[in-house]
Amino acid sequence: AQRVTQPEKLLSVFKGAPVELKCNYSYSGSPELFWYVQYSRQRLQLLLRHISRESIKGFTADLNKGETSFHLKKPFAQEEDSAMYYCAPRGANSKLTFGKGITLSVRP
Amino acid sequence: GAGVSQSPSNKVTEKGKDVELRCDPISGHTALYWYRQSLGQGLEFLIYFQGNSAPDKSGLPSDRFSAERTGGSVSTLTIQRTQQEDSAVYLCASSLDGVFNQPQHFGDGTRLSIL
Repeated sequence: AQRVTQPEKLLSVFKGAPVELKCNYSYSGSPELFWYVQYSRQRLQLLLRHISRESIKGFTADLNKGETSFHLKKPFAQEEDSAMYYCAPRGANSKLTFGKGITLSVRP
Repeated sequence: GAGVSQSPSNKVTEKGKDVELRCDPISGHTALYWYRQSLGQGLEFLIYFQGNSAPDKSGLPSDRFSAERTGGSVSTLTIQRTQQEDSAVYLCASSLDGVFNQPQHFGDGTRLSIL
């Protein structure tokens, strides 16, 4: 069965602290991994995808196939990073399977 | 259009009534998805349309839920005989096609409240 786990519901850090949002998945085949973000009063939007190997807004995510993880990291959090973050693998059937999400709160 | 458009933005109705939710995808996007976002449950896949292919309905929670997509563009999600557990935000997304690695673009959603 396709499953994605975001073990924490809330992460609260101070501005400038490092951030790691955890994501583990159980998926047949080789899924593509995405992180989506929803800022307050905005629509859900793509943050980054593993295939692009990109850094967006200072965030990176490395796919670890051995551990089946795709943790999202940022070395120095900013207040504007406060949002809801969803990890979402997608298989060949094109369906995204979303985790339950984690709220990141960055305090000044 | 500039993005995925959903209407209405809010819908309040009585238990037992039927509701229709509308999604207007980005022009040229052939893939369209419906999701449901419930408090504490994250986002749940409902249905997926790709071009002229038969839709993937595997996420629809009951036979009270149905969706159609006319002319490969606008889609309507219909919930019959609504129940209180149907209360949620219903999100629509579209992508250029259903091919691997194309990102999905989401609308603002319709917040459905069943009294």
